[in-house]
Amino acid sequence: RKEVEQDPGPFNVPEGATVAFNCTYSNSASQSFFWYRQDCRKEPKLLMSVYSSGNEDGRFTAQLNRASQYISLLIRDSKLSDSATYLCVVNMRNQGGKLIFGQGTELSVKP
Amino acid sequence: DAGVIQSPRHEVTEMGQEVTLRCKPISGHNSLFWYRQTMMRGLELLIYFNNNVPIDDSGMPEDRFSAKMPNASFSTLKIQPSEPRDSAVYFCASSSNTEAFFGQGTRLTVV
Repeated sequence: RKEVEQDPGPFNVPEGATVAFNCTYSNSASQSFFWYRQDCRKEPKLLMSVYSSGNEDGRFTAQLNRASQYISLLIRDSKLSDSATYLCVVNMRNQGGKLIFGQGTELSVKP
Repeated sequence: DAGVIQSPRHEVTEMGQEVTLRCKPISGHNSLFWYRQTMMRGLELLIYFNNNVPIDDSGMPEDRFSAKMPNASFSTLKIQPSEPRDSAVYFCASSSNTEAFFGQGTRLTVV
């Protein structure tokens, strides 16, 4: 089983739609969590951190469920510019800060 | 800060040749990661360093791959001899125990 698993997609949605991505992780000792965004042929960039209480940044909401070892990202009112690959990331500080990336979920927002 | 700097940006080499990829992390960051990305396998962690010390190299595919971090501001990933299946984008990232910041990557093609 992979340490971090995501549905690879692609998710094809119309502009304005709400879309949700899920991610599961296998190591319960994982301590911090992130969502990254990667555009075609570019490097991954931090989108947002994920906190236990859930957090929101504009149209983006991230949630963490430690009991189920599950992370989610919700994008509301999706824009064409949201088209990218979204990567779930787990930081295992008890392993010296090892950062493990999921396979990524591809999102395509259409007019 | 200029961010994580990788060189070269692109490398085309013949099978059997030695390839050296270089990375300058963000000043003050104590963790450095080398990742490889392909369409088939996504982002794979090859090796990471904490305070210049290799912590986990279990992702290094085989003995042809080696990585060093002689000081806090420089790391290399070497492939000797290179093979066509090594063709991929190689990313370096650095972190100060929170999120990681990526370089622009080196696109390696082995023919």
